Amino acid sequence: ETGVTQSPTHLIKTRGQQVTLRCSSQSGHNTVSWYQQALGQGPQFIFQYYREEENGRGNFPPRFSGLQFPNYSSELNVNALELDDSALYLCASSLLLGPNLFGNTIYFGEGSWLTVV
Amino acid sequence: TQLLEQSPQFLSIQEGENLTVYCNSSSVFSSLQWYRQEPGEGPVLLVTVVTGGEVKKLKRLTFQFGDARKDSSLHITAAQTGDTGLYLCAGAYNFNKFYFGSGTKLNVKP
Repeated sequence: ETGVTQSPTHLIKTRGQQVTLRCSSQSGHNTVSWYQQALGQGPQFIFQYYREEENGRGNFPPRFSGLQFPNYSSELNVNALELDDSALYLCASSLLLGPNLFGNTIYFGEGSWLTVV
Repeated sequence: TQLLEQSPQFLSIQEGENLTVYCNSSSVFSSLQWYRQEPGEGPVLLVTVVTGGEVKKLKRLTFQFGDARKDSSLHITAAQTGDTGLYLCAGAYNFNKFYFGSGTKLNVKP
């Protein structure tokens, strides 16, 4: 039990649709990172939010966007879904001491399985 | 694109055997982490190494960070069936932003 909660756990969407995934970070954490893990691959960094601001982005197109709320929970939004977006989406929660200051342990949620048909 | 190469990709061994998993890159990391992931779950952090040449032990697991901070290894002594899982290394290019390898799938048979 990591204290990081993701919802929904599973969902099926149609190509072209939009999806919102949610993450509640561990209490006391101010940073949320999102990762995409395709079947048989390691997680790929999408972006990170630190104190409600985007704090780094991986190699993902603009149709992947996010938000972090004042309570440090976060959303990942994906527009114009493509078949290749089918994957496990992981949220990782941590405490950063500054935008580029490594804080403490990172905790992952159990992920949201997205299938695009 | 995986910036970190892990080897082997698959490993199937008998309980009691030793094994080593490798994580290599041409890039330098500020830190490197090892995770274990079980089916249907998120990765669980095992260790973080920060200093070149650092060695950390976690019971039967020994982690080493290369002197140049470009590579790492995970050695398991006397593997148990409970060690079965996907082992992932993740390198930090900018402190808290990590890039993962594609993983080593370990199966320990009784």
